[in-house]
Amino acid sequence: EPEVTQTPSHQVTQMGQEVILRCVPISNHLYFYWYRQILGQKVEFLVSFYNNEISEKSEIFDDQFSVERPDGSNFTLKIRSTKLEDSAMYFCASSPSLDGELFFGEGSRLTVL
Amino acid sequence: QKEVEQNSGPLSVPEGAIASLNCTYSDRGSQSFFWYRQYSGKSPELIMSIYSNGDKEDGRFTAQLNKASQYVSLLIRDSQPSDSATYLCAVTHNAGNMLTFGGGTRLMVKP
Repeated sequence: EPEVTQTPSHQVTQMGQEVILRCVPISNHLYFYWYRQILGQKVEFLVSFYNNEISEKSEIFDDQFSVERPDGSNFTLKIRSTKLEDSAMYFCASSPSLDGELFFGEGSRLTVL
Repeated sequence: QKEVEQNSGPLSVPEGAIASLNCTYSDRGSQSFFWYRQYSGKSPELIMSIYSNGDKEDGRFTAQLNKASQYVSLLIRDSQPSDSATYLCAVTHNAGNMLTFGGGTRLMVKP
């Protein structure tokens, strides 16, 4: 069964460093998303991406965040200068249609020291 | 502010019983409603989706939606210990599938 894959599964970084989280969405999906979940808290929407541009973003998705689809398969989330509060599980998701169901990857755990 | 509220639990039921999970949402414009299951340290896994008022059944799971009351529920029949997890209610607003999640209800099914 097709699945969303994410790398790395866990990354530890120092505050102020740049981090890139990578995702390979399901191949025929057109809509891509990043969500995050701080330990013990709700899953929160960060950004949606369609047709090579951001379609929606939340207040969390400020200037330190960026997304890119550098080729036909990868979808990346970059955090330019990490803060302690960026420590969370970051989930990539994809969907075949605008109102379709979201399929989540297994997540990338980011720990900022 | 678009909110999705759930009782955090834990909800404890014996094996074989019916587990009833509830969710309320604040945005009357919400269009699509989902229940996800999340095991500790894992990603959300879609259990059910529901788009119109009434009941929708899939195996041991039944989702119920009442848009007038802004209420969605999930019933799990013949609960099994493997159903023990956190159940997340998620809602989309207007067009598009940006999900707003509730905080989840932790379900414990005791053998």
